Amino acid sequence: DGGITQSPKYLFRKEGQNVTLSCEQNLNHDAMYWYRQDPGQGLRLIYYSQIVNDFQKGDIAEGYSVSREKKESFPLTVTSAQKNPTAFYLCASSLTENEKLFFGSGTQLSVL
Amino acid sequence: GEDVEQSLFLSVREGDSSVINCTYTDSSSTYLYWYKQEPGAGLQLLTYIFSNMDMKQDQRLTVLLNKKDKHLSLRIADTQTGDSAIYFCAEMYSSASKIIFGSGTRLSIRP
Repeated sequence: DGGITQSPKYLFRKEGQNVTLSCEQNLNHDAMYWYRQDPGQGLRLIYYSQIVNDFQKGDIAEGYSVSREKKESFPLTVTSAQKNPTAFYLCASSLTENEKLFFGSGTQLSVL
Repeated sequence: GEDVEQSLFLSVREGDSSVINCTYTDSSSTYLYWYKQEPGAGLQLLTYIFSNMDMKQDQRLTVLLNKKDKHLSLRIADTQTGDSAIYFCAEMYSSASKIIFGSGTRLSIRP
């Protein structure tokens, strides 16, 4: 079955630690996205990538980094510079930029 | 500026129709979307409407678009307990080439 897989489902970060969230898709989509979801708020765009080896900052990129070395994979690193990382993180993909988005099941990140 | 607004909560009786409303700001939006999110899960695309349409129906779902008022609604007929979720409205904000999401409307079903 085609889809988007995010892992892990739950992740805990210690003070000063970098953590990486995985996102893999087998839909052959060119574009991939990372969103952050806080309770009672809409989704905010962190980073997006239209093609391999290229990515752009979204609205809240500070404290995050990404890479797009393969079409299928778009990992997100939450660095120690992100002072309020607790949130639900959603990865999405689309066939081309800003077409219908397909979402993964999300990763809940919490701070210890 | 770019903004999509929705009310935060809606409660309906099982079997009644639910109507979730949304207003947006970009008059040149090309697509408007409705997504459903169940607890602890990602967003699932329910339906979408192209900006040159007034209405789209898909089984129990009806989308109405009023471009003049920049108002979008989602009607769910014969609401069931499985419809309990958060519903997000989103627009393709053409001038910035990105998709903007509302804050979501939490739909709860009363027996």
